Amino acid sequence: NAGVTQTPKFQVLKTGQSMTLQCAQDMNHNSMYWYRQDPGMGLRLIYYSASEGTTDKGEVPNGYNVSRLNKREFSLRLESAAPSQTSVYFCASEQGSGNQPQHFGDGTRLSIL
Amino acid sequence: QKEVEQDPGPLSVPEGAIVSLNCTYSNSAFQYFMWYRQYSRKGPELLMYTYSSGNKEDGRFTAQVDKSSKYISLFIRDSQPSDSATYLCAMRHDYKLSFGAGTTVTVRA
Repeated sequence: NAGVTQTPKFQVLKTGQSMTLQCAQDMNHNSMYWYRQDPGMGLRLIYYSASEGTTDKGEVPNGYNVSRLNKREFSLRLESAAPSQTSVYFCASEQGSGNQPQHFGDGTRLSIL
Repeated sequence: QKEVEQDPGPLSVPEGAIVSLNCTYSNSAFQYFMWYRQYSRKGPELLMYTYSSGNKEDGRFTAQVDKSSKYISLFIRDSQPSDSATYLCAMRHDYKLSFGAGTTVTVRA
């Protein structure tokens, strides 16, 4: 039971480089989410996809783009990385439509120099 | 003001003690309340999920919700060293899940 799988686990980028973080879930969940976690800030929602074919902005979308490739996969792209985007990124998925618990992957630790 | 405020900790307790964790919130629209446990370098893991005021018990864990006071708590009885982790409260309205900043708990053997 893999659950939510994120790749890569670690990455170091230089300012201005681009990067795509990958997320896949094998639970046949409808909704998927991207969060970032910073010390003292808790988890903050970047983007979410309520269902295949739809995406919406969360609390902190600036500097990011997403693609819901199919029901299983939801990717997060940084087009031009900035040091302020150094963070731990978590992907989550959910069975239902905004009223079920979310299940998280183990994160991607991203450092931007 | 943040929508969700969580006691920052850290907390250090002896094995067998009761751990008490608290969060307050300001958004009356929150309908669902959760507690997640996060071990170092891991993703959050769901511990408790509830949508009504009152208590919900699961083994050594009790979640308490008081919607009138906008206050939730998590109690861990007979704490074990394996309970050492960061605990996150989370609250939900529609697709929006708002998290507290987390409380780090250490249970000393």
